[in-house]
Amino acid sequence: GENVEQHPSTLSVQEGDSAVIKCTYSDSASNYFPWYKQELGKRPQLIIDIRSNVGEKKDQRIAVTLNKTAKHFSLHITETQPEDSAVYFCAAPPRGYSGGGADGLTFGKGTHLIIQP
Amino acid sequence: GAVVSQHPSWVICKSGTSVKIECRSLDFQATTMFWYRQFPKQSLMLMATSNEGSKATYEQGVEKDKFLINHASLTLSTLTVTSAHPEDSSFYICSAPPSRSQGAFFGQGTRLTVV
Repeated sequence: GENVEQHPSTLSVQEGDSAVIKCTYSDSASNYFPWYKQELGKRPQLIIDIRSNVGEKKDQRIAVTLNKTAKHFSLHITETQPEDSAVYFCAAPPRGYSGGGADGLTFGKGTHLIIQP
Repeated sequence: GAVVSQHPSWVICKSGTSVKIECRSLDFQATTMFWYRQFPKQSLMLMATSNEGSKATYEQGVEKDKFLINHASLTLSTLTVTSAHPEDSSFYICSAPPSRSQGAFFGQGTRLTVV
């Protein structure tokens, strides 16, 4: 099955600075990589995802980059704000995803992002 | 986006009793639903895959006789924790699988406390 490694486990940045969280995966056939934000006691919320046919995707202050050769993908948050404080999870399907969804996601261990005022 | 509704949001039960958690897809039909468990300060771990009209698929180490899954319709999957013990206390959350146009959506989650 898929093995997803996520680093760092905790990240503290000053408000306004950028934050980067990295994940690696093991299954070279994986082709869908979502990032989730989870606030304490709440459900994970999808914030951005990327498919293997592109190397980068951006949505306002959030961006995700993918390096399929190295099998890693990263979440970039610019101009961080206090409301960005949460736990962020990367995930990957256990094998090539082609729509419809036959397999559950394998999640990284999470990164606790702390935005210092 | 797809809406997944999960109930109850929290439940407290006595050791030895059973608890049923419901997961409904409100605006789409789901032939597959996933059940995850999340212990405090840990990641989400896939427990099982619920398949409409057939048996659920359980991940290694998950007891199928303890965590009963039923997916009787295209909009409802249920997880029953049988003979609950304090170590079963956790956050249980269901999700609908990702589609070509959108990522997986999660239910609100159920905080189970076994006393």
